[in-house]
Amino acid sequence: GIQVEQSPPDLILQEGANSTLRCNFSDSVNNLQWFHQNPWGQLINLFYIPSGTKQNGRLSATTVATERYSLLYISSSQTTDSGVYFCAVRYNQGGKLIFGQGTELSVKP
Amino acid sequence: GAVVSQHPSWVICKSGTSVKIECRSLDFQATTMFWYRQFPKQSLMLMATSNEGSKATYEQGVEKDKFLINHASLTLSTLTVTSAHPEDSSFYICSARDPDRGHEQFFGPGTRLTVL
Repeated sequence: GIQVEQSPPDLILQEGANSTLRCNFSDSVNNLQWFHQNPWGQLINLFYIPSGTKQNGRLSATTVATERYSLLYISSSQTTDSGVYFCAVRYNQGGKLIFGQGTELSVKP
Repeated sequence: GAVVSQHPSWVICKSGTSVKIECRSLDFQATTMFWYRQFPKQSLMLMATSNEGSKATYEQGVEKDKFLINHASLTLSTLTVTSAHPEDSSFYICSARDPDRGHEQFFGPGTRLTVL
């Protein structure tokens, strides 16, 4: 089955720093989503990005489907960015979303 | 838009009792909903896929008789944990797929179940 690998598993940043989170997947996918799970457990949709580049404020994401990876960029990090970031992929229209193991981000003031 | 609600947000029950968790898509119709389970410091594990008007599809290793799923309408799916035991304590999260938004999935806030 499809494997989804995220790196790094943990990341500690000073407030204001930039970071790049990576998601590698093992097969062609038709959907890729990035989520932020806040300390209360809520998953917040960040990007729906099966290919291309999108930006939303301080966050941006790029998926290169032909090379089977996606990157999430966080610029000028804030303490509220802390939490776990998940990448999830789906390889066909009716299939299930497969999650990576997540990157736990901690932003220190 | 694309809001998914879940109720209750937390529940504590005695061993042997049953607990029902509701998942609703508030502003879209979801023909497909999903139930996940998450243990501390781990990723989400898909338990089952719930299709409106038909039986749920369970993932390998998930007991159908213990985790009863009903998808009675296009906006409501329920998960009932029957005869709960302490090992069923976990964080349960539902999700719904919005067909009008390229099948992007949206997640409920989760239900923390503690079985004493």
